[in-house]
Amino acid sequence: GAGVSQTPSNKVTEKGKYVELRCDPISGHTALYWYRQSLGQGPEFLIYFQGTGAADDSGLPNDRFFAVRPEGSVSTLKIQRTERGDSAVYLCASSPDRRETQYFGPGTRLLVL
Amino acid sequence: RKEVEQDPGPFNVPEGATVAFNCTYSNSASQSFFWYRQDCRKEPKLLMSVYSSGNEDGRFTAQLNRASQYISLLIRDSKLSDSATYLCVVIPGGYNKLIFGAGTRLAVHP
Repeated sequence: GAGVSQTPSNKVTEKGKYVELRCDPISGHTALYWYRQSLGQGPEFLIYFQGTGAADDSGLPNDRFFAVRPEGSVSTLKIQRTERGDSAVYLCASSPDRRETQYFGPGTRLLVL
Repeated sequence: RKEVEQDPGPFNVPEGATVAFNCTYSNSASQSFFWYRQDCRKEPKLLMSVYSSGNEDGRFTAQLNRASQYISLLIRDSKLSDSATYLCVVIPGGYNKLIFGAGTRLAVHP
């Protein structure tokens, strides 16, 4: 079956611009996670959704970052006033429930110039 | 101190070699432990879970020592296709918030 998909696969933007990154989880998965992976590092947790609600957003680095999942399926990660330090691979993962194995999407590579 | 620490490597080994990776974690209340594999420019994929009793899957053996807060991965008879970054992962508890180490790079050469 279809895995987790993320769009765009690559995004280049200029400092100060707004970007949206999209995640389509595996159908029926209620738990959805966003992670960020900088070069040479492991992924870092950003936010976890259970259904439509953000159950834990403790990993969001500051208030420029925001994520939504309005219908409990697709999620969008939004970054305002992008900075060069936001450049990273943004990974989305989903799981059937909060205690199940997470399946990762291929990621969105964000480059802020 | 990072929550999960790994030797970044790289480990350069010949085909057929046995190689071992180690990982330490700081949160003694952590509940679940895993090894993930990540190929270059790809997403992480679950390799195996880690239990106190040890876990073996073919050429791969994982071990957990809760008292020392230490996790290991042993790869026997290395193949070229084992070349990747191996990520040590800990779940602190409650739900699947994965805490990753920075990864250990393995390069297997002919």
